[in-house]
Amino acid sequence: DTGVSQDPRHKITKRGQNVTFRCDPISEHNRLYWYRQTLGQGPEFLTYFQNEAQLEKSRLLSDRFSAERPKGSFSTLEIQRTEQGDSAMYLCASSLGPLGEQFFGPGTRLTVL
Amino acid sequence: GDSVTQMEGPVTLSEEAFLTINCTYTATGYPSLFWYVQYPGEGLQLLLKATKADDKGSNKGFEATYRKETTSFHLEKGSVQVSDSAVYFCALITDRGSTLGRLYFGRGTQLTVWP
Repeated sequence: DTGVSQDPRHKITKRGQNVTFRCDPISEHNRLYWYRQTLGQGPEFLTYFQNEAQLEKSRLLSDRFSAERPKGSFSTLEIQRTEQGDSAMYLCASSLGPLGEQFFGPGTRLTVL
Repeated sequence: GDSVTQMEGPVTLSEEAFLTINCTYTATGYPSLFWYVQYPGEGLQLLLKATKADDKGSNKGFEATYRKETTSFHLEKGSVQVSDSAVYFCALITDRGSTLGRLYFGRGTQLTVWP
């Protein structure tokens, strides 16, 4: 069991640039979630996938955000035209089924200058 | 909507002291309740869970009881150790509707234990 992995662990970018994060879930897990955590707050739901289908998106996910999960395996989260308010820790989690335990990756910390 | 309210921190204790971190929730349906822990530099880890009223979750000396009448899931430990220093998050997951499977988290409580 290699767990959930995320890449990169840290990303520093300038405002207006595009960034892409990757999440590799536990291999047999069909559900994949993205959360965002800002300093002093708990994680907030962004979106989730059931296999390759994106089933729900939070209102936090503006049009500048897009997520994919091709072939129901790894997932990518892209942020276009980054803003300073996008600075946060982006967490990925996976589970077996909707009520299965969610296992979290180490997160990608994004800093937008 | 569904939400979790967690006592504000930080909490600072001496080793072997008793710990309580309060958590209350608002939810439709019958949620499952969780405590997650985040150690410095590490990802979120599930500490314990309870899936129905009156269930008690326990792990590593920590306990929490699902109290439907008070909509609470307070975390307790009888004797904390320095190694328990971490951020603790209370969370719930809904069992129905469009938000099925989504975790709702509290703000987190930073615990520091001094030797």
